[in-house]
Amino acid sequence: GENVEQHPSTLSVQEGDSAVIKCTYSDSASNYFPWYKQELGKRPQLIIDIRSNVGEKKDQRIAVTLNKTAKHFSLHITETQPEDSAVYFCAASGGKTGGGADGLTFGKGTHLIIQP
Amino acid sequence: KAGVTQTPRYLIKTRGQQVTLSCSPISGHRSVSWYQQTPGQGLQFLFEYFSETQRNKGNFPGRFSGRQFSNSRSEMNVSTLELGDSALYLCASSLAGGREKLFFGSGTQLSVL
Repeated sequence: GENVEQHPSTLSVQEGDSAVIKCTYSDSASNYFPWYKQELGKRPQLIIDIRSNVGEKKDQRIAVTLNKTAKHFSLHITETQPEDSAVYFCAASGGKTGGGADGLTFGKGTHLIIQP
Repeated sequence: KAGVTQTPRYLIKTRGQQVTLSCSPISGHRSVSWYQQTPGQGLQFLFEYFSETQRNKGNFPGRFSGRQFSNSRSEMNVSTLELGDSALYLCASSLAGGREKLFFGSGTQLSVL
C-alpha cells in the first residue's frame, strides 16, 4: 500500500519568514494530494489540495508543488503569522482498480512553530 | 450549515468491552470516512461509507466495523477492546467523494483501561 513520509517533524521559523514542509510518497498510482492543518485540540481542516495533473497550486500565502517523477510534494507558506502555528499533515490517495479511490494515507505531521 | 457532529466526545472503557461511536455528517454529504489518530501512528484510515455501503477499508482488524444509515449518519463499532485502541477517532464527511475535501468532526477520545 501507500506510504507517506513527512519532514521535518518540527519546524520553527520567525514570524514573516517562509516555511516549507516536504512529503514523499511510494505509490506512483497516487493522484490526489491534500494538506490539512490541525490546531491544538481542534479538528483537522483542509487548507489546500492538488491533483497529479497539476504541478503547482497557490492560494494566497499557501502553495503546494508536486513532482510526480520524484514522487514528492511540498507545502510552502510565505509571510508566516502567529495563527499559522499548528500541526500540518500531508496525505496521498490513489485510484482503485475498477474505479473509485482509496482512503487517504497521511504523513506523521509537522509541528510548525512561529516565533514572534 | 451544521458541521460534522460526533458523539460522545469522550469515552472510557475497559479491555474486552465493546464501544459504538456515532457520526452525523454535514447535510447533503453522502460519504462518511473514519480515521484513527494516535501520537505514534498519526492519522490512519479505517473505512469509508457511501450510500449505506462500505466503499473502502483500511488495514485494521475485523474488530473494527461500521455502518451507515439511510440518512447518511454513521456508526463505528470496536469489539473486544484492547489497550492499543486508545485513540482519537475522527469522522469526516465529503460531498465530492471519500478522499476529497474532507470535513472532520471534533472526534471521540476513547481511553481503554
